[in-house]
Amino acid sequence: GAGVSQTPSNKVTEKGKYVELRCDPISGHTALYWYRQSLGQGPEFLIYFQGTGAADDSGLPNDRFFAVRPEGSVSTLKIQRTERGDSAVYLCASSLVRSGTQYFGPGTRLTVL
Amino acid sequence: ELKVEQNPLFLSMQEGKNYTIYCNYSTTSDRLYWYRQDPGKSLESLFVLLSNGAVKQEGRLMASLDTKARLSTLHITAAVHDLSATYFCAVDAGGGADGLTFGKGTHLIIQP
Repeated sequence: GAGVSQTPSNKVTEKGKYVELRCDPISGHTALYWYRQSLGQGPEFLIYFQGTGAADDSGLPNDRFFAVRPEGSVSTLKIQRTERGDSAVYLCASSLVRSGTQYFGPGTRLTVL
Repeated sequence: ELKVEQNPLFLSMQEGKNYTIYCNYSTTSDRLYWYRQDPGKSLESLFVLLSNGAVKQEGRLMASLDTKARLSTLHITAAVHDLSATYFCAVDAGGGADGLTFGKGTHLIIQP
């Protein structure tokens, strides 16, 4: 079956611009997660959705970052006023239930110039 | 704050040899995962370990969990080149913490 998909695969933007990153989870998975992976590091948790609601956004670095999942399926991570330090690979994962194995998408590589 | 430490961070080994990657974590955990990541690719789930003494094996890889020592190991038997990748352990602390906490990864190169 189809896995987690993410678009775009690469995004280059200029400092100060707004970006949106999209995640399409595995069908039927109620839990959705966003992580950020910097070069040479493990992924860092950003936010977790259970259904439509953000159950845990404790990993978002500041209020420039926001994510939504309006219909409990596709999620969008939004970054305002991008900074060079936001450059990283943004990974999305989904699991059938909160405690299930998380399956990761291919990621979006964000480069802020 | 949950900390997850892997060692070694970098390992170069020859085909046919055995080696172990270690993953220590700092607080009680509900479950522990091992993932594999190839260059430029996403993470592939290898194992989930749910209880003390759990052992899982897939091919040349075997993972174990000692919750009392807060230690997991990933053992590679008779390594082959195709196992070259970065391996991450990740801990689900549970208890209201919803994301996984990852180690920095072990970059494994297996030379013919």
